[in-house]
Amino acid sequence: ETGVTQTPRHLVMGMTNKKSLKCEQHLGHNAMYWYKQSAKKPLELMFVYNFKEQTENNSVPSRFSPECPNSSHLFLHLHTLQPEDSALYLCASSQDWGTSGSEQYFGPGTRLTVT
Amino acid sequence: GQNIDQPTEMTATEGAIVQINCTYQTSGFNGLFWYQQHAGEAPTFLSYNVLDGLEEKGRFSSFLSRSKGYSYLLLKELQMKDSASYLCAVMDSNYQLIWGAGTKLIIKP
Repeated sequence: ETGVTQTPRHLVMGMTNKKSLKCEQHLGHNAMYWYKQSAKKPLELMFVYNFKEQTENNSVPSRFSPECPNSSHLFLHLHTLQPEDSALYLCASSQDWGTSGSEQYFGPGTRLTVT
Repeated sequence: GQNIDQPTEMTATEGAIVQINCTYQTSGFNGLFWYQQHAGEAPTFLSYNVLDGLEEKGRFSSFLSRSKGYSYLLLKELQMKDSASYLCAVMDSNYQLIWGAGTKLIIKP
């Protein structure tokens, strides 16, 4: 595997379910990100981890719970979601966080549908 | 508030040139990025500008004017595979990327 991988690619879940999204980066980067992408809207930054420590939480509802066990893996735990949470969830990584010019590499995303 | 504006959709002809504009108002500036995103795929990095001027990379060029809060992405010799969304993003003073909603570029034969 190379780059940034995400599983599953597609997920349909009911509002009472609990599921987790997984992201893995094979680039040796120190920073990882979760974004939400809704149709015709800008990418919304949800969480940032730098060296496994959470540095940003952009007022994300508690029904989204991130976990970063090491610099290569990032999870997003989902529970009691709402239909408006249906979106594409993108994971990204960069060499560092807090430096200019540090481009982010994205995974293919998980298309989440909440029914 | 912070804001990135770019056109929602543009159409161009194969072989032609197209310019996609981006204007921004952000809290601080640590550079501007352009990404390409094909439908159903991950965004991929195209260019980064932090100083004023033009950066050329093959068929793609990106321009920045910090005083005007303005950038453009120039695509030359358009190919059908260039049909995609183009995302403009500015890194603010907190090193967070502020994203535009993207410009969907449609290439016609």
